[in-house]
Amino acid sequence: QKEVEQDPGPLSVPEGAIVSLNCTYSNSAFQYFMWYRQYSRKGPELLMYTYSSGNKEDGRFTAQVDKSSKYISLFIRDSQPSDSATYLCGMGSNFGNEKLTFGTGTRLTIIP
Amino acid sequence: SAVISQKPSRDICQRGTSLTIQCQVDSQVTMMFWYRQQPGQSLTLIATANQGSEATYESGFVIDKFPISRPNLTFSTLTVSNMSPEDSSIYLCSVVSGHGVNEQFFGPGTRLTVL
Repeated sequence: QKEVEQDPGPLSVPEGAIVSLNCTYSNSAFQYFMWYRQYSRKGPELLMYTYSSGNKEDGRFTAQVDKSSKYISLFIRDSQPSDSATYLCGMGSNFGNEKLTFGTGTRLTIIP
Repeated sequence: SAVISQKPSRDICQRGTSLTIQCQVDSQVTMMFWYRQQPGQSLTLIATANQGSEATYESGFVIDKFPISRPNLTFSTLTVSNMSPEDSSIYLCSVVSGHGVNEQFFGPGTRLTVL
């Protein structure tokens, strides 16, 4: 079993819809969680960083963490064609050793 | 966030040759990492580049195949040695910005194709 599971998609939604992207994990030692956006032929771009259970909001993006269920989500409101990209979840367990474990990424397409 | 550049951005190489990838950061950073991203797979950590000492390699990766240098706090190189088609991948360096928060930022990547 992989430490981090992420549905690879592809996921296609109409413009303006709410997008929900999810990852589950098996390692209860994971303490902090990140979401990255990666456009084609570009490096991953950090979108959200959180280390506690609950919600964190930044503009149209909301990161949600449920440590009891080992489940994290990224919600995108009012989705735009420019949100079309691959979204990767990453997580780490030790603040003194920043090794991250990543999901495989979900390819998202927003249809105008 | 740190600004990270990588050279080359892409290359096509012959089997059996070696390629050195450079990673330059616009500020001093404590931690630098090298990742591999193969099609349809997650980002896989190759090694942590330690300034002034040998790199720390993850399981499945060895120094003879992926030698790493880290001469100072803003620069690192990764060499892919004796390449085979299985080494075709995107290679990414990343840094932790510090300032008490371990957010990790990635460079643009080097797309390597081995024929």
